[in-house]
Amino acid sequence: NAGVTQTPKFQVLKTGQSMTLQCAQDMNHEYMSWYRQDPGMGLRLIHYSVGAGITDQGEVPNGYNVSRSTTEDFPLRLLSAAPSQTSVYFCASSDRVDGKNIQYFGAGTRLSVL
Amino acid sequence: EDKVVQSPLSLVVHEGDTVTLNCSYEVTNFRSLLWYKQEKKAPTFLFMLTSSGIEKKSGRLSSILDKKELFSILNITATQTGDSAIYLCAGTDNYGQNFVFGPGTRLSVLP
Repeated sequence: NAGVTQTPKFQVLKTGQSMTLQCAQDMNHEYMSWYRQDPGMGLRLIHYSVGAGITDQGEVPNGYNVSRSTTEDFPLRLLSAAPSQTSVYFCASSDRVDGKNIQYFGAGTRLSVL
Repeated sequence: EDKVVQSPLSLVVHEGDTVTLNCSYEVTNFRSLLWYKQEKKAPTFLFMLTSSGIEKKSGRLSSILDKKELFSILNITATQTGDSAIYLCAGTDNYGQNFVFGPGTRLSVLP
């Protein structure tokens, strides 16, 4: 059981480049989320999805796009990378079976934008 | 605006000490308060608290929620160097869609 898998683990981009961070979960969870973590600011929600075909914005959505074509996958796209997007990105999924809504996190992607 | 505040932001103790980490929250349609431990990579789940006044324990860690005063504490007794980590708390709403994280408390346990 792999849980939540994120790729790549590390990435360096130049300003203006685009890329996609991949996230996949094999737990059949309805909810998936993307966070960024910056020093002293905790985890901030970028986008989330409550099921296939449904996405919504979180706290810091600007500069990022998401899609949810399947239950398993929730990629995060950076359209035109900026140095302010240098951060560690975490994907998470959660389920609400029996009222539980515990989030399970992927290992993270460390992104540097030069 | 929903928010979660943690204190202290940083704490240095010696092995064997007992620590208390604080988390206060304001979350619309609040349902649960979650504690996570983050070492070098992804946060890992510790506790989920939904009811007031009921302590949850796991080994040397325990946590309790006060829904009237909107706060939770995480206690770690007889700390060990392996407890060194960032401890995050998060509030979530009834729909399970909104997880609001605090900034974390960085705990360092010295030998």
